[in-house]
Amino acid sequence: GAGVSQSPRYKVTKRGQDVALRCDPISGHVSLYWYRQALGQGPEFLTYFNYEAQQDKSGLPNDRFSAERPEGSISTLTIQRTEQRDSAMYRCASSSGQGVEAFFGQGTRLTVV
Amino acid sequence: GIQVEQSPPDLILQEGANSTLRCNFSDSVNNLQWFHQNPWGQLINLFYIPSGTKQNGRLSATTVATERYSLLYISSSQTTDSGVYFCAVYYNQGGKLIFGQGTELSVKP
Repeated sequence: GAGVSQSPRYKVTKRGQDVALRCDPISGHVSLYWYRQALGQGPEFLTYFNYEAQQDKSGLPNDRFSAERPEGSISTLTIQRTEQRDSAMYRCASSSGQGVEAFFGQGTRLTVV
Repeated sequence: GIQVEQSPPDLILQEGANSTLRCNFSDSVNNLQWFHQNPWGQLINLFYIPSGTKQNGRLSATTVATERYSLLYISSSQTTDSGVYFCAVYYNQGGKLIFGQGTELSVKP
């Protein structure tokens, strides 16, 4: 597509529910990144993929968070048993290669009530 | 890990004024990007600038990688320039983009 597309744009969920956030990168981009941004802070790295391989997941805060990119294109970030502290903007970015200019989607605003 | 520090944290300008935003980083980096987060929360790419100087309209950026800093210049500011400006660096053979905490700019009419 023309840009990075994330869905849903907004998600309100009850504590304890699982959520899945989707990212559709720019067509042909091999690298895909997930970030989390709290209010008033800069985006914090969660994980990234080259093609379908998860290269680094050191930023995932705990084992409730997981991500996949099974066909090297669309990626899903899943949060199990959501907690209020998971509320944040979740951002996805893609680039044509590792370390090359990255482009961000509009983000998913997650609210856990 | 690498530290990315931006200054000032907040800036209020009158429309038409010029400003300089600074980004310092604590280790060698492979590349650097500047972003503008607009009031709707969208992250807009401004510059991809590992070294040297680039200009785009009223905005320009300079990165001096050997001295571990980058500067973003905004000239003749407009109210639409308001928002948060982030710098982010690629470090450790690419992969991760590490962000600073941002500079929040408010341009008053």
